[in-house]
Amino acid sequence: AAGVIQSPRHLIKEKRETATLKCYPIPRHDTVYWYQQGPGQDPQFLISFYEKMQSDKGSIPDRFSAQQFSDYHSELNMSSLELGDSALYFCASSLGLAGLGTYNEQFFGPGTRLTVL
Amino acid sequence: AQSVTQLGSHVSVSEGALVLLRCNYSSSVPPYLFWYVQYPNQGLQLLLKYTSAATLVKGINGFEAEFKKSETSFHLTKPSAHMSDAAEYFCAVSEEGSGYSTLTFGKGTMLLVSP
Repeated sequence: AAGVIQSPRHLIKEKRETATLKCYPIPRHDTVYWYQQGPGQDPQFLISFYEKMQSDKGSIPDRFSAQQFSDYHSELNMSSLELGDSALYFCASSLGLAGLGTYNEQFFGPGTRLTVL
Repeated sequence: AQSVTQLGSHVSVSEGALVLLRCNYSSSVPPYLFWYVQYPNQGLQLLLKYTSAATLVKGINGFEAEFKKSETSFHLTKPSAHMSDAAEYFCAVSEEGSGYSTLTFGKGTMLLVSP
């Protein structure tokens, strides 16, 4: 079965550079979530999109922005990179909008490992 | 606000021994609870989930977890550990409110399995 695709899998950048991470959800999934996992840390929710609209916002720095496109893929744009941005960035996708009493399972991609030097 | 506490950053067991990974949650509304496994340099794989149906949940690879509301716990167990179970395990909580689901993870527990 098709899974969530993230590209690139590995990325090395210098301080103050910019980076763009891409996420391709499972076909027909319309909701995308971004998580950041620092070294030895738990994944932290950054931001999510449903039907191309931002649906929820977590601990995403102002230097970061994201969007979801008409084909439901999403891009996380990171500017003025700092050493502390080095982390594994996960994208997850789900089908549909979760409502009261329901849960739409999130399927995680393999992650993009960003290293800032 | 929802939160998860995993007791023990590392748990060591011998192959064939019982695995018990502890998770306690805090939630203002009935939660959904999850266990994910992460192998080195890989993504998160869902082991099992509790979404207000049966309180004893069976997952993949022989793992199961029991939701205990009175103890606000969702501990993960496996009767007999295999070497292949060595990985990091994350407990997560999600609250269903007026809209979307986001996951709040615990700090993770590294399971070490010795021969």
